[in-house]
Amino acid sequence: QTVVTQEPSFSVSPGGTVTLTCGLSSGSVSPSNYPTWYQQTPGQAPRTLIYNTATRSSGVPDRFSGSILGNKAALTITGAQTDDESDYYCVLNMSGGGYVFGGGTKLSVL
Amino acid sequence: QMQLVQSGAEVKKPGASVKVSCKASGNTFTSYHIHWVRQAPGQGLEWMGMITPGNGATYYTQKFQGRVTMTRDTSTSTVFMDLSSLRSEDTAIYYCASEKSATYYFDFWGQGTLVTVSS
Repeated sequence: QTVVTQEPSFSVSPGGTVTLTCGLSSGSVSPSNYPTWYQQTPGQAPRTLIYNTATRSSGVPDRFSGSILGNKAALTITGAQTDDESDYYCVLNMSGGGYVFGGGTKLSVL
Repeated sequence: QMQLVQSGAEVKKPGASVKVSCKASGNTFTSYHIHWVRQAPGQGLEWMGMITPGNGATYYTQKFQGRVTMTRDTSTSTVFMDLSSLRSEDTAIYYCASEKSATYYFDFWGQGTLVTVSS
């Protein structure tokens, strides 16, 4: 059973930079996993931030960026704003087919 | 762009089945995949499976195989997710989400359908 790992929580100061990561319980995340990042606020459906590792979805501010760092996918927020306080989920496409979400990271901006 | 509108909330007893619908509009229905993702109260997102409306092909994650069935009605651009043998742990919001073929991400989401399983 593949497990996708994320930090359960993270805190950043307004204006600061934070990097959230998305790993695999066994193995490395690669571009062929098509890492995607979603932002979710309470009571709302998820919103696509980054897809295909590093492509920003339409309308997403350029303070959000995606990359591969070492053996993990990463979401970096540069110049965090209070509006960025949300849950962030990554999801990976698995070589055998199907998708697996990470457990999500609750980001606090304070 | 695609719009996805889901059916309303459901309350079911343990052991029953539930069928949630997801009606698509705004884009060519058959050139997308439609995925189902659920979220239990206070928990994370969980991918359940997908259907390709163009040919009806389905793929279910192992956890739900044998309990979930995804179907489509191309005449109404609607997909359905049927989950059987419900238990309390199936209480969740169920989302449908679209993926333009071979883009590997879910670009548009339905509003979600709350399914409550309670005796």
